[in-house]
Amino acid sequence: GAVVSQHPSRVICKSGTSVKIECRSLDFQATTMFWYRQFPKQSLMLMATSNEGSKATYEQGVEKDKFLINHASLTLSTLTVTSAHPEDSSFYICSASTWDHMNTEAFFGQGTRLTVV
Amino acid sequence: AQKVTQAQTEISVVEKEDVTLDCVYETRDTTYYLFWYKQPPSGELVFLIRRNSFDEQNEISGRYSWNFQKSTSSFNFTITASQVVDSAVYFCALSDPQGKTSYDKVIFGPGTSLSVIP
Repeated sequence: GAVVSQHPSRVICKSGTSVKIECRSLDFQATTMFWYRQFPKQSLMLMATSNEGSKATYEQGVEKDKFLINHASLTLSTLTVTSAHPEDSSFYICSASTWDHMNTEAFFGQGTRLTVV
Repeated sequence: AQKVTQAQTEISVVEKEDVTLDCVYETRDTTYYLFWYKQPPSGELVFLIRRNSFDEQNEISGRYSWNFQKSTSSFNFTITASQVVDSAVYFCALSDPQGKTSYDKVIFGPGTSLSVIP
């Protein structure tokens, strides 16, 4: 299957600083990528849909000014957590889809565990 | 709206026992996809299966099998002869079609934490 690479896998930052997470599709072009957040012992919750060359679409309750998404190319989307606070500590996972006429499948990155201290 | 329910929050079984993880979904779409993912303690999602809504044939892959019942909106997952390495959180998921020109986003169920005891 297709490969999606996410970097970094773990990051610790100080409260008030910003953190950037990268999501790359390594062997396919992804016009759409998705960003999920997972708190401990909870499910994955979709934060936003990232579209190449246009603004991201955010799910209800997700602050677009706090979670900046940039999808500048067909293989890279970035999520920047601005002015991070301890409550932003979570596991962030991206996914990218390829469109096949008959099928659709989402490929997930390895995830980024963010800890804000 | 689309929704996925996994009623079993946690399950513990003794090694070599069979275990079935339940999944019930809700959707108004006629075309959709169902998935199962495994999430070990490392956090990475491991893709297990994708099934489209037009294919109700059950599937077996080694010790894993899936039973798709469209009439009851269920997509249950059975592990036969469970092993310690099967211990993980398992998510059932449903694709949420955005339209013909958009890619699907995936709606996850709450997950079932499976512990296989030696």
